[in-house]
Amino acid sequence: SAVISQKPSRDICQRGTSLTIQCQVDSQVTMMFWYRQQPGQSLTLIATANQGSEATYESGFVIDKFPISRPNLTFSTLTVSNMSPEDSSIYLCSVEDTGHEQYFGPGTRLTVT
Amino acid sequence: GQSLEQPSEVTAVEGAIVQINCTYQTSGFYGLSWYQQHDGGAPTFLSYNALDGLEETGRFSSFLSRSDSYGYLLLQELQMKDSASYFCAPEGTNAGKSTFGDGTTLTVKP
Repeated sequence: SAVISQKPSRDICQRGTSLTIQCQVDSQVTMMFWYRQQPGQSLTLIATANQGSEATYESGFVIDKFPISRPNLTFSTLTVSNMSPEDSSIYLCSVEDTGHEQYFGPGTRLTVT
Repeated sequence: GQSLEQPSEVTAVEGAIVQINCTYQTSGFYGLSWYQQHDGGAPTFLSYNALDGLEETGRFSSFLSRSDSYGYLLLQELQMKDSASYFCAPEGTNAGKSTFGDGTTLTVKP
């Protein structure tokens, strides 16, 4: 199993600013995923990040708003740009191992005021 | 397109058995996963079915019927700590990613 850490665990930001969320995995993984989850709701996939290539974004999410970096096989960042209150959510990164299991980080709780 | 259906809420008493159903429609299909999420926590993996039939892991079992695009999670000998949200997540053939259902909130009462 993979152990994943995220930083920051929570933040309160002003609208119009940007926040970069870091995701660190304790082992090398090919695919990393970024999700968004409103409290009490399901997880929505933002993008898939593979090392050495550009992230693949899901419908409704664009690179200008959610730029992603994947500099190596254990680390990724997601930036939430030009934030508005609608971006208030929990952001989670995850990795998938060879057994089709996904392991999730603890999440970053973002509040935009 | 893709669609997922699972009940929004289920309530049961300690010691009982609960079945949470999931029907899905997805382009391409590898298998069906189940995740548990406690309030304020991250989702944790419970089970994965790639083939038809029942997979048992302790008190939890998961079933898949590929021909019916249907699966369920069976929780036996319910405990209070089983109160959580449960998500089914079919894995499509597009880069192996999973789509999560809306989740079923299970409340276990004494």
